[in-house]
Amino acid sequence: AQSVTQLGSHVSVSEGALVLLRCNYSSSVPPYLFWYVQYPNQGLQLLLKYTSAATLVKGINGFEAEFKKSETSFHLTKPSAHMSDAAEYFCAVSDTGANSKLTFGKGITLSVRP
Amino acid sequence: GAGVSQSPRYKVTKRGQDVALRCDPISGHVSLYWYRQALGQGPEFLTYFNYEAQQDKSGLPNDRFSAERPEGSISTLTIQRTEQRDSAMYRCASSLQAVRTDTQYFGPGTRLTVL
Repeated sequence: AQSVTQLGSHVSVSEGALVLLRCNYSSSVPPYLFWYVQYPNQGLQLLLKYTSAATLVKGINGFEAEFKKSETSFHLTKPSAHMSDAAEYFCAVSDTGANSKLTFGKGITLSVRP
Repeated sequence: GAGVSQSPRYKVTKRGQDVALRCDPISGHVSLYWYRQALGQGPEFLTYFNYEAQQDKSGLPNDRFSAERPEGSISTLTIQRTEQRDSAMYRCASSLQAVRTDTQYFGPGTRLTVL
């Protein structure tokens, strides 16, 4: 079965600092991986996705993630945090075969300090 | 264009009552998914449809939960004889195609509270 691990539940950074949110996956087949962001009282919004093309994926709002098969990781980064980045971030892996359901991690809350 | 919409946004009900949660996907989207999200957790898969056909209902917790999408558009998730443990955020998503790489677009969710 597919699974995703997001270690830690909360990350706090200063405005302008590097953002690094970790995601490790387990998959029996080549995975398709997604990062979603959830702002308060809103639905989940796709930041970026890896679908076996380039291993470095660029998304919206300056975020990017690198797929590393050897480390089974798909960490999310942003060079310089902005106050508006404060939100909850979820990593997800798509299921195998014809089933396209997503398996999500527990999520990480990002706080940005002025 | 319009995104995925869900109604009601908030639902408070008493234990034992039935509730129906509605999802209106993006027009033309083939696939529709239901997830449940407990506080402090990620969304957990319940069921999904391609057009009107329910493809996988393995995530439905028990037979009190059911879902339908009779015309391949709007979907309803019904919970019968609600229990307090059913309290959660229920999220709906839709995707244009029924493939693993396709983006799922999420609605704002329905917050269900069972007293």
